[in-house]
Amino acid sequence: SQTIHQWPATLVQPVGSPLSLECTVEGTSNPNLYWYRQAAGRGLQLLFYSVGIGQISSEVPQNLSASRPQDRQFILSSKKLLLSDSGFYLCAWSRNRDRLNQPQHFGDGTRLSIL
Amino acid sequence: TQLLEQSPQFLSIQEGENLTVYCNSSSVFSSLQWYRQEPGEGPVLLVTVVTGGEVKKLKRLTFQFGDARKDSSLHITAAQTGDTGLYLCAGSGGSYIPTFGRGTSLIVHP
Repeated sequence: SQTIHQWPATLVQPVGSPLSLECTVEGTSNPNLYWYRQAAGRGLQLLFYSVGIGQISSEVPQNLSASRPQDRQFILSSKKLLLSDSGFYLCAWSRNRDRLNQPQHFGDGTRLSIL
Repeated sequence: TQLLEQSPQFLSIQEGENLTVYCNSSSVFSSLQWYRQEPGEGPVLLVTVVTGGEVKKLKRLTFQFGDARKDSSLHITAAQTGDTGLYLCAGSGGSYIPTFGRGTSLIVHP
């Protein structure tokens, strides 16, 4: 079966510090990978998605970047965090074989607080 | 740009009541998913519907996809406190990127 791991679960960082959130998927190959940010109790804002190693598409221009160094690894980074980067970050994957009907499967999220 | 409107945004009911959550769009979707999310966790997939008019049941939850594949509903019968959470619908329109609704926050009181 497929599993997705996302860490850390909680992170408190000072303004101006760097960020690295990691996500890995097991049990499948060549997945589509996604990073979302979610405001408290509300919908999901897509930040980045990737359909293959080294292929990153950005949906929202901002202070963050993403990388996919391996097939099942997706990293969300920032060089200097802003207060507005606080939020709940979710990683997700979907199968890459049939783009029409594939649901997404989410990690447990990272709660990021910027002080 | 495809948009999905969910209603109501918030719902607070007593245990044992029935409820319906709606997900509407002016766009046609190839498929539509419903997720439930509990506080501090990621959304969990409940169901995928792909055929216009399709009805799927998951215990006390009934999901329906509109005939024109532009809307969907989630009906919960005899709600329980364990049904509390954020319900999200997401539509796939033939790309890698689904469109998510803003969610319906459900609280079921004992």
